[in-house]
Amino acid sequence: DIQMTQSPSSLSASVGDRVTITCRASQSIASYLNWYQQKPGRAPKLLIYAASNLQSGVPSRFSGSGSGTDFTLTISSLQPEDFATYYCQQSYSTPRTFGQGTKVEIK
Amino acid sequence: EVQLLESGGGLVQPGGSLRLSCAASGFTFSSYAMSWVRQAPGKGLDWVSGISDSGGGTYYADSVKGRFTISRDNSKSTLYVQMNSLRAEDTAVYYCAKGSTAGIYVDENFDYWGQGTLVTVSS
Repeated sequence: DIQMTQSPSSLSASVGDRVTITCRASQSIASYLNWYQQKPGRAPKLLIYAASNLQSGVPSRFSGSGSGTDFTLTISSLQPEDFATYYCQQSYSTPRTFGQGTKVEIK
Repeated sequence: EVQLLESGGGLVQPGGSLRLSCAASGFTFSSYAMSWVRQAPGKGLDWVSGISDSGGGTYYADSVKGRFTISRDNSKSTLYVQMNSLRAEDTAVYYCAKGSTAGIYVDENFDYWGQGTLVTVSS
């Protein structure tokens, strides 16, 4: 199985900050990497697919990059509604696997 | 508007069985793969199983292989998972998720999710 490791596990940031979350795969997954946002008590929401493609309706402050084993999710200017947990997920093979999550909290 | 509505969760004893359903609407159900993803209390996301558009391809996490069976009824736009020999570690919110492709392909993502149904395995 492909292991997905996110860092950091949590971070504190202020509104307006630039935030970067990294995700590393245990083997190359090309660009088959998706990012999701989850707020407490809610279902996950797709943000970025295929490493760098913004899902329809997602604000442009979210962006993704990377290929192979190393990926990043960047929020260019953190907004109050962005405080949530973020997960990466590989679709290169089954079983699909997720990172452990990165919780973005208010500083 | 795409809607996914899970049902069938509840309290079950260890070793028991449960069948979850996910009623889909707002898209051509028979054209897309579907998956079940679970989340134990306070934990991260854990993919459980996926099924291709026709139902001809099914895939499972090792942790549920041989105990869970995924299926779909395209005439009813409904996804199912039959869960047998349940264990305490199966306790979680179970989400159904719509795949973005017809099969379990490399470019698949989960573009829509239901609100989840809670399964509690306890004596």
